[in-house]
Amino acid sequence: AQSVAQPEDQVNVAEGNPLTVKCTYSVSGNPYLFWYVQYPNRGLQFLLKYITGDNLVKGSYGFEAEFNKSQTSFHLKKPSALVSDSALYFCAVRDRGSGNTGKLIFGQGTTLQVKP
Amino acid sequence: GAGVSQSPSNKVTEKGKDVELRCDPISGHTALYWYRQRLGQGLEFLIYFQGNSAPDKSGLPSDRFSAERTGGSVSTLTIQRTQQEDSAVYLCASSPTSGAQETQYFGPGTRLLVL
Repeated sequence: AQSVAQPEDQVNVAEGNPLTVKCTYSVSGNPYLFWYVQYPNRGLQFLLKYITGDNLVKGSYGFEAEFNKSQTSFHLKKPSALVSDSALYFCAVRDRGSGNTGKLIFGQGTTLQVKP
Repeated sequence: GAGVSQSPSNKVTEKGKDVELRCDPISGHTALYWYRQRLGQGLEFLIYFQGNSAPDKSGLPSDRFSAERTGGSVSTLTIQRTQQEDSAVYLCASSPTSGAQETQYFGPGTRLLVL
């Protein structure tokens, strides 16, 4: 069965410091991996995705994520955090063989708190 | 361009009543998805539509839940005889095709409260 784990409920970081939000996954085949961000009372906004090729993926708002197949991880990173980055972050996975089902499997979410 | 829209944004209902939630996908997107987000939890897949194919209903939690998609565009999620455990945010998403690599674009959600 497919699953996604975000081991930290909350990550606290000071503004200007680097941030990492962790994600590990389990799929039977090769994965497509996604990160979304959710601001209060808003829907999910797409940040970035890994499909194939370079393991380092760059996305919106200066975020990037590194696909590590041996560790089955896809951690979200940003070199310098902003207070405005404070939000709820979701990692999601889709098995490459799941084109007929369509669904994304989401982690439980990690709240990022950036303090001035 | 316009994103995914959902209505109503908020819905308060009494236990036992039926509710209908509406989703307008991005124009031209053939795939449409419904998810449920309970307080403090991740998203649970409910149902998926792709073009004229039979929908994937594998995520619907009970037979009180149903959804339809008319004309390959607008979708309605119906919950009959609502229960308090149905209280959640219901999110709709669409993507250009059903390809596994496609990005799903989400609407703002409908916040449902069952009293």
